[in-house]
Amino acid sequence: DQQVKQNSPSLSVQEGRISILNCDYTNSMFDYFLWYKKYPAEGPTFLISISSIKDKNEDGRFTVFLNKSAKHLSLHIVPSQPGDSAVYFCAATGRNAGNMLTFGGGTRLMVKP
Amino acid sequence: DSGVTQTPKHLITATGQRVTLRCSPRSGDLSVYWYQQSLDQGLQFLIQYYNGEERAKGNILERFSAQQFPDLHSELNLSSLELGDSALYFCASSATPIGNQPQHFGDGTRLSIL
Repeated sequence: DQQVKQNSPSLSVQEGRISILNCDYTNSMFDYFLWYKKYPAEGPTFLISISSIKDKNEDGRFTVFLNKSAKHLSLHIVPSQPGDSAVYFCAATGRNAGNMLTFGGGTRLMVKP
Repeated sequence: DSGVTQTPKHLITATGQRVTLRCSPRSGDLSVYWYQQSLDQGLQFLIQYYNGEERAKGNILERFSAQQFPDLHSELNLSSLELGDSALYFCASSATPIGNQPQHFGDGTRLSIL
């Protein structure tokens, strides 16, 4: 039972354009959502998070949107840069989960120069 | 650099053996988490410790155990190893075990069972 799903295994975008990565969840107890970026041979690096009391959070080129009714979140990267090429994971946790993260399967983003 | 240190980076061993993976959390972080990333399962939560005490358990096999020491470093012990235990094992840390704060990950230990 996959509680967090990233349905696109890969995404290719031109440099300077917008990258949109999507994530769906099924567990209504999740109330905190995170995005991590992962390069090969490195651990996941925290990018941005959002609490369920908000519907948008922005940090520089990265914006996360949360649609609670649809149980959907997305990460927007504008403008995309070649250095953004990595695997992106969304993760979720809830008050009752003790900060234990449930991860999606990841989306590989390729930004072409 | 996340500040979380994992050793060793690579470990190659045989079936039936036992190994210990080590993690030092970020300075000031009291909570440590272990995750397994295998090809077919993605990143899966194994176990969490907070200030030396086990806090939560995920899909951790009985052959696996962990502990957190007074200096807050943690060790994950894997015994009676099977081919299917080959995976990347990540450690993460956070200041407290309460939600709404990010976990910071180490670079992982790649375990290969021959």
